[in-house]
Amino acid sequence: DVKVTQSSRYLVKRTGEKVFLECVQDMDHENMFWYRQDPGLGLRLIYFSYDVKMKEKGDIPEGYSVSREKKERFSLILESASTNQTSMYLCASRPVVGLAAYEQYFGPGTRLTVT
Amino acid sequence: AQSVTQLDSQVPVFEEAPVELRCNYSSSVSVYLFWYVQYPNQGLQLLLKYLSGSTLVKGINGFEAEFNKSQTSFHLRKPSVHISDTAEYFCAAPGGSQGNLIFGKGTKLSVKP
Repeated sequence: DVKVTQSSRYLVKRTGEKVFLECVQDMDHENMFWYRQDPGLGLRLIYFSYDVKMKEKGDIPEGYSVSREKKERFSLILESASTNQTSMYLCASRPVVGLAAYEQYFGPGTRLTVT
Repeated sequence: AQSVTQLDSQVPVFEEAPVELRCNYSSSVSVYLFWYVQYPNQGLQLLLKYLSGSTLVKGINGFEAEFNKSQTSFHLRKPSVHISDTAEYFCAAPGGSQGNLIFGKGTKLSVKP
């Protein structure tokens, strides 16, 4: 089974702090994603990485950056956390071959609160 | 614009009753369709998927969905729900600019005893 893990389930940070959210997948997937989930808004794509050191902005990249130094690890960075970044953050990965490429595998999520 | 629409934000039902969660997609998205379930304080888990073949798709936990091309719908059904089915359900399809999934806004299913 594909396993996607996230470093923290719950995180509380102060405004202005630099925050790192880590995601690791164990299935050698090329593509990895970071989404944020807010009530009534569904999932929105923050950043996408299609390979090591490769990244693309998603729909809401402002205030975030990412790092992908190794294939299995994709990090989301909040350079200076703000209260409007309080949210649930979900990481996902997927392969790029065949019909399976359309399915994404999700981690358990990190619920971040910025005070 | 590409879109996936879930028509109901909340669906309350009694235990052992049937349920249908509605999903419509814009014809511009790829006709590969997914339903994910999210239990409280957890990530998303794949419930079922339609990629090709039979339009009636069976998934885990007794759920099924029917792909209807003429109505651009992919409604999720279960003939008899349990308390443990209480969760949020998301319909999704590929179509984002990065090849990612586009998600509906979710339907919260609340099963009452």
